[in-house]
Amino acid sequence: GESVGLHLPTLSVQEGDNSIINCAYSNSASDYFIWYKQESGKGPQFIIDIRSNMDKRQGQRVTVLLNKTVKHLSLQIAATQPGDSAVYFCAENKRTGANNLFFGTGTRLTVIP
Amino acid sequence: EAQVTQNPRYLITVTGKKLTVTCSQNMNHEYMSWYRQDPGLGLRQIYYSMNVEVTDKGDVPEGYKVSRKEKRNFPLILESPSPNQTSLYFCASSLRGGEAFFGQGTRLTVV
Repeated sequence: GESVGLHLPTLSVQEGDNSIINCAYSNSASDYFIWYKQESGKGPQFIIDIRSNMDKRQGQRVTVLLNKTVKHLSLQIAATQPGDSAVYFCAENKRTGANNLFFGTGTRLTVIP
Repeated sequence: EAQVTQNPRYLITVTGKKLTVTCSQNMNHEYMSWYRQDPGLGLRQIYYSMNVEVTDKGDVPEGYKVSRKEKRNFPLILESPSPNQTSLYFCASSLRGGEAFFGQGTRLTVV
């Protein structure tokens, strides 16, 4: 089965609210995780990454949290904007030192103006 | 501009007619890979390459071939395409242990 999955396939939020997208993984040996954003008709775009020796990492308006105890990853988007509407994927690497990324099925985020 | 370029962007072909999708990156990345994206299944890795002349199977390699003769290029070859290979394909490149940069995708339809 999949080692990376998402709790919710769709998420709708009001513009200006914060968004939280969750992801579960099952491979406790994975040491690198990435969040990607995919807009319609485009390839996945890197948002933020985190290594297993960290539990939190912040970017511009985004924060990734990693809970290794329960093998859970989340992406928080602050003050969600219409341009954030997209499908979000979490991915984990399967082989240390390589980039054999295993993707979840994605969550579609819709921002309501 | 740093980018991964795939060609063609769209392709319709018939069953059994060999085709090649090209991928080129200008970032001098060691690592390149191919994914296919299908509704409800996310992205699944087909093949990857850790450097020139080094390739290996991903999760769904059946029906595909790749080659890595030069660092910048990583073509995906379908020797005898079948309808179940109708999909959206993405090429990606990265430095070892870094985030992957994706191309714009190739939408392939096999009839």
